Amino acid sequence: RKEVEQDPGPFNVPEGATVAFNCTYSNSASQSFFWYRQDCRKEPKLLMSVYSSGNEDGRFTAQLNRASQYISLLIRDSKLSDSATYLCVVNALKANTGNQFYFGTGTSLTVIP
Amino acid sequence: EAQVTQNPRYLITVTGKKLTVTCSQNMNHEYMSWYRQDPGLGLRQIYYSMNVEVTDKGDVPEGYKVSRKEKRNFPLILESPSPNQTSLYFCASNSWGARSPLHFGNGTRLTVT
Repeated sequence: RKEVEQDPGPFNVPEGATVAFNCTYSNSASQSFFWYRQDCRKEPKLLMSVYSSGNEDGRFTAQLNRASQYISLLIRDSKLSDSATYLCVVNALKANTGNQFYFGTGTSLTVIP
Repeated sequence: EAQVTQNPRYLITVTGKKLTVTCSQNMNHEYMSWYRQDPGLGLRQIYYSMNVEVTDKGDVPEGYKVSRKEKRNFPLILESPSPNQTSLYFCASNSWGARSPLHFGNGTRLTVT
């Protein structure tokens, strides 16, 4: 079983729509959670860190459910510029290896005019 | 500006010709790592370093070497590149602590013919 699993999509949504992505993780000792945005062939960029019960940043809301071991990303009022791949990243800090990051394969979003 | 700098951005080489991809960060981060990204496989860790002179293998270390002689630099060395190392490579860094997100360099697209 993969450490982090995401639905690869693609998600094609009209402008203005609300879209949600889910990500599940297998390591119950995972301590921190992040959503990254990656544009085609460019580096992943941090979109949001996800703490405790979740957080909101403008049109973006991230939530964490530790009991079910999943995190979600909600994008409201989608813009054309939101078209990208969204990566779920999970970190488990270990004494002997330090930070151990696990990556989903990404969910592709295309916002259509 | 806080950043991770990789060079070169693009590299085309031939099988067996040794190459080095440089990575430097200016955030005084302890932790640095290298990833490769291939279609359908997501980001896979090649090597990581928890601090100066401390390096360890990630998930796909075969064919790669690294060194960490200074805190800011973490070069990736391919002693004898092969076509299966054609990929998009990212260097990343973060500070010690589970809540610290990864900061990625802008990537190196390597083609080995």
